[in-house]
Amino acid sequence: GENVEQHPSTLSVQEGDSAVIKCTYSDSASNYFPWYKQELGKRPQLIIDIRSNVGEKKDQRIAVTLNKTAKHFSLHITETQPEDSAVYFCAASIGAAGNKLTFGGGTRVLVKP
Amino acid sequence: NAGVTQTPKFRVLKTGQSMTLLCAQDMNHEYMYWYRQDPGMGLRLIHYSVGEGTTAKGEVPDGYNVSRLKKQNFLLGLESAAPSQTSVYFCASSYSVHATNEKLFFGSGTQLSVL
Repeated sequence: GENVEQHPSTLSVQEGDSAVIKCTYSDSASNYFPWYKQELGKRPQLIIDIRSNVGEKKDQRIAVTLNKTAKHFSLHITETQPEDSAVYFCAASIGAAGNKLTFGGGTRVLVKP
Repeated sequence: NAGVTQTPKFRVLKTGQSMTLLCAQDMNHEYMYWYRQDPGMGLRLIHYSVGEGTTAKGEVPDGYNVSRLKKQNFLLGLESAAPSQTSVYFCASSYSVHATNEKLFFGSGTQLSVL
């Protein structure tokens, strides 16, 4: 089955700096890659996703890049703000059905003011 | 529109006790899921349902049972709780496998401790 590795497990950045989280996946057939954000004590929420037919997607200060050849994808957060502090999960699946999603272990991001 | 509602929010069990977690969604979603969240292991799928009356095993189904008697409800049962089942449990739902946006809508979670 699919295996998703996520690094780093924790990330501390200064407010205004950029943060990058990387994930690798094992199944070359995977074609859907969402990112979920979980604030402390809250439920995970989808922040951005990308499909294998595109290499990059942006939404304001966040962007995701995908390298299908190397089987890795990354989340980039620019101009970090305190409200970006959270745990971020990457995931991969063949097709977009939730029962096919495999999640990474999560990255705890702390933005220091 | 409440979204996905889970009850209870917290529960402490003794080893061997049983309990049921309830998940309800009011978005008319076809798919419903139960995940457990453990430190460093992300979210792991326990069981899921693709529609009323159907259930299927996920990645870590042992020790759990589920039922989907009504489209809006998905129950997770622990028949004989074990300390290894101490975790945070999340219910989620999504519209359909055929939709172009398979966003998962999560409930607020249940913190379960088994002593």
